Order: sequence, then C-alpha cells, then structure tokens
Amino acid sequence: DQQVKQNSPSLSVQEGRISILNCDYTNSMFDYFLWYKKYPAEGPTFLISISSIKDKNEDGRFTVFLNKSAKHLSLHIVPSQPGDSAVYFCAVQGGKLIFGQGTELSVKP
Amino acid sequence: DTEVTQTPKHLVMGMTNKKSLKCEQHMGHRAMYWYKQKAKKPPELMFVYSYEKLSINESVPSRFSPECPNSSLLNLHLHALQPEDSALYLCASSQDPQGIELFFGEGSRLTVL
Repeated sequence: DQQVKQNSPSLSVQEGRISILNCDYTNSMFDYFLWYKKYPAEGPTFLISISSIKDKNEDGRFTVFLNKSAKHLSLHIVPSQPGDSAVYFCAVQGGKLIFGQGTELSVKP
Repeated sequence: DTEVTQTPKHLVMGMTNKKSLKCEQHMGHRAMYWYKQKAKKPPELMFVYSYEKLSINESVPSRFSPECPNSSLLNLHLHALQPEDSALYLCASSQDPQGIELFFGEGSRLTVL
C-alpha cells in the first residue's frame, strides 16, 4: 500500500525549460515533506523540504509547492540544466521517512 | 564529498560467507539508519539506531544483523544471504531520531552469488 506516489517514472525536458516533478500522498497527518536527488551509484542527497504550515519553499532554481487539500506536492526546477539529470525521490516524514518510487529526470542540451 | 562514509563500495559474497558493511559519520548525529535499495525502486528502511540503541527493525530477516559500536559507527553483519539480497545498501544519519533530514552515504553495492 503506497503512501507516497510518484506516478511518472521518467521525465524528459529541454535545457533551460522548467521541470515539474509531482508527488501525491495519502495521509493528511503527514507534516514534513522532502525531495532527494540521486545520481547512479551514489546515495540520495537532500535537495529541499517543506513543512505543512507552508505552501511554498524556494531555494535558488528549486521550488517546492504543497497543496494540502489535494495531498499533492511538486518540485519545480527552472531553468533546468543537464547536471540536473538524476532520479528525484519525494519523501514524507511519517514517523519514519517514506519514499516515493522516484522520477528519472533527463535534461537534454 | 559525503560526510557519511561507507565501506566497502562493492562486495561480492557467496551464500555461505560472513561479511560486514561499515558506516561512519562525524557530524555528531544521534540517529543512524540502514536502507536497502533495489534497482528502479525507492530506498527501503531496514534498521534505525537512536542514541546507539536499536529503535526500529522493519521485520528484517535475521541473516542481517546490525551493530552500533558507538555514536559514529554503524555496521551491518551479513551471514547466509540469498541472491535476492543483492542490492545497494545505504547508510544514513540524522541529527535527531525523528529523522527529518537524512544524510546518506554513497552505498555499498552487494552481490550475492
């Protein structure tokens, strides 16, 4: 029973354009949300987070939006760069960190 | 450079072998974790140590045995593994046992023959 879902296994974007990665969760009690980025043969690295008291958090090219009523969050990367190509995991803090399935982003030059 | 160091990076073992994976962090974090990740899948939590005591065991088979000798070190002892245990084993640490933000090592790629 997946509590955190990333329905797009892959996404391809042109360099300079916006990348939008989506994540849905099932439990309205979750109150802290994170995005991790993972390159092949490396561990995930923390990217950005948001708590449930906010609906937006921005850090440079990365912005996370939270829609609590829809139980949905998204990560926007603008402008996208080839070095952003990686697998992005959405995660929620629900007593333990629960990861989504991941979305593989490919940014083409 | 990651501040969570895992050794070895690669390990090949037979089903009758005994081996160990090691993890070290020097960030003063009080919680440490073992995750298992198969290809194209998200990391799956195995164990959590909080203040050097095992606080979560996610029903992991006994052929995996964790050990936390001190607050900086975490080991995973492996014995009588199966080929399906082949995976990337990730160690992580967090400042607090709530694990709001985890710092991951690069992982140990395990192959069981």
